Amino acid sequence: QQQVKQSPQSLIVQKGGISIINCAYENTAFDYFPWYQQFPGKGPALLIAIRPDVSEKKEGRFTISFNKSAKQFSLHIMDSQPGDSATYFCAASNYGFGNEKLTFGTGTRLTIIP
Amino acid sequence: DAGVTQSPTHLIKTRGQQVTLRCSPKSGHDTVSWYQQALGQGPQFIFQYYEEEERQRGNFPDRFSGHQFPNYSSELNVNALLLGDSALYLCASSWTGKNEKLFFGSGTQLSVL
Repeated sequence: QQQVKQSPQSLIVQKGGISIINCAYENTAFDYFPWYQQFPGKGPALLIAIRPDVSEKKEGRFTISFNKSAKQFSLHIMDSQPGDSATYFCAASNYGFGNEKLTFGTGTRLTIIP
Repeated sequence: DAGVTQSPTHLIKTRGQQVTLRCSPKSGHDTVSWYQQALGQGPQFIFQYYEEEERQRGNFPDRFSGHQFPNYSSELNVNALLLGDSALYLCASSWTGKNEKLFFGSGTQLSVL
């Protein structure tokens, strides 16, 4: 049972544009929602994370928008750069039990073209 | 400050064999979690070790077992390998006292022939 659904599977964005990746979850016990960035041959690296007590969190060019009632959250990458080309994973966990047991989405391969 | 280190980086085994993968956590971290990442998929949680005991487990069969040593390093063992066990195995570490970031290693790519 896939508890975190991620879309799109792949995304091509022009340099300077906005990249948007969406995720939806089913388990209402989830209360920690991180986004990870993975380059080929590397492990995932935490990009930004949000708890459901806020609807938006921004760190530099990266913003998470969170809609608790819809059980959806999204990653926005502003002014997308070629160096942002990577696979992005959303994830979710029950923070009270520790954030180590993450349930990941299936990933979005992002390509930024000049 | 070394991050999470895993060995070996690549491994080829045949069906039915057993394999052991190793992980050294980031300095200062006491908890190790293991994930399996099949090609084109997101990582799936296998289990987590803290204070040398398995604390949480995902939906993986008993063929998957682990161990944590007093220095916090960890091993993942897989018995009776199946073709479907071919995947990237990721180790992640964290500090229980600071319930935040998980740091991942670069993984061990296991191919079962």
